[in-house]
Amino acid sequence: TQLLKQSPQFLSIQEGENLTVYCNSSSVFSSLQWYRQEPGEGPVLLVTVVTGGEVKKLKRLTFQFGDARKDSSLHITAAQPGDTGLYLCAGGYGANNLFFGTGTRLTVIP
Amino acid sequence: SAVISQKPSRDICQRGTSLTIQCQVDSQVTMMFWYRQQPGQSLTLIATANQGSEATYESGFVIDKFPISRPNLTFSTLTVSNMSPEDSSIYLCSVGTGGNYGYTFGSGTRLTVV
Repeated sequence: TQLLKQSPQFLSIQEGENLTVYCNSSSVFSSLQWYRQEPGEGPVLLVTVVTGGEVKKLKRLTFQFGDARKDSSLHITAAQPGDTGLYLCAGGYGANNLFFGTGTRLTVIP
Repeated sequence: SAVISQKPSRDICQRGTSLTIQCQVDSQVTMMFWYRQQPGQSLTLIATANQGSEATYESGFVIDKFPISRPNLTFSTLTVSNMSPEDSSIYLCSVGTGGNYGYTFGSGTRLTVV
């Protein structure tokens, strides 16, 4: 059974601080995706990483896929209140399968 | 990417009744997925719906409780049958073109069973 554990589960920081969210598994995934979900909405895709060791940057967000394709991290620089939300990693396996992580709820305080 | 219209956005239902959730996609898609998200939790896949065939259910979910229809390539429904308070959750539909390319989600249906 695939299990994607995210840490921390909850994170509350001041505006301008940096943070890192981790997504770990004992399973190998063909891809790793990160989503952000705001209240009353469905998750929205932020990024997909597919190659072990891959690093992608999206403005203030930096995503890394572990060399063994079992883990990933999301780093946010100079967090803003608009970054508040539920962050979900999701591992892809097979042709159309996606397994979601346990989630990290981020609150950025102005 | 596809745009999904999901309704109702929320409902409060009496135990023992059923609710049908609809998802309309603005383009033809082969596979549609139905997820459940319990309060404060992550997403759990209920079933995968292909047009023209029976839906494939994940462990812990059965067709009698969550019947799914997929009459064409742009539409699907999920029914939550004989509801109990434990069924109170957010239900989400999604579409995707493969595990490597990400999925698009509807805005969800927040169901409360009283």
